[in-house]
Amino acid sequence: GNSVTQMEGPVTLSEEAFLTINCTYTATGYPSLFWYVQYPGEGLQLLLKATKADDKGSNKGFEATYRKETTSFHLEKGSVQVSDSAVYFCALSDVNDYKLSFGAGTTVTVRA
Amino acid sequence: DVKVTQSSRYLVKRTGEKVFLECVQDMDHENMFWYRQDPGLGLRLIYFSYDVKMKEKGDIPEGYSVSREKKERFSLILESASTNQTSMYLCASKEGNEKLFFGSGTQLSVL
Repeated sequence: GNSVTQMEGPVTLSEEAFLTINCTYTATGYPSLFWYVQYPGEGLQLLLKATKADDKGSNKGFEATYRKETTSFHLEKGSVQVSDSAVYFCALSDVNDYKLSFGAGTTVTVRA
Repeated sequence: DVKVTQSSRYLVKRTGEKVFLECVQDMDHENMFWYRQDPGLGLRLIYFSYDVKMKEKGDIPEGYSVSREKKERFSLILESASTNQTSMYLCASKEGNEKLFFGSGTQLSVL
């Protein structure tokens, strides 16, 4: 079945530091890949997505590239802000499936 | 602005009680989902529905049931609440293979 593995947290960074959150997946077929973000006290919202190999999703300074050869979709941001403090979830959706499979989530805290 | 609304932000219930968690979406989406979120486990799918009166089990349906009488409303039911059902419950909806829209969640405590 489909599954997502993402790096464990928590991750604590200083403002303007570089952030990487690793995500690898196992899937049959050709899934779509997503990063969702959950800010404190809120539900999840889509951060970015990629639907095929070598696609790069980007939003709010975050980027992730769909790497089929390494089955990875790592999230990166070059210079984080305090407002980026949140829980980040990697997820995948099989093209023939309504459901999303989520990773365990990575808590990121950015200190001023 | 699109919305998925969960009826309660916090709920405290006693063991053995019947619990209803309500979710309403205003986007005319076909597909609706109930997840639970636990630290270190991420989101796990309990049930989903792809049409009115249709339901499918997710990965952890035991101890739960659902109801979808109208397209906009998807209810999660705990027939007899237990302490291991203490969790954050998240409702979501989507159309086709588009992105999920989530509610703000209901933190349920079962004592």
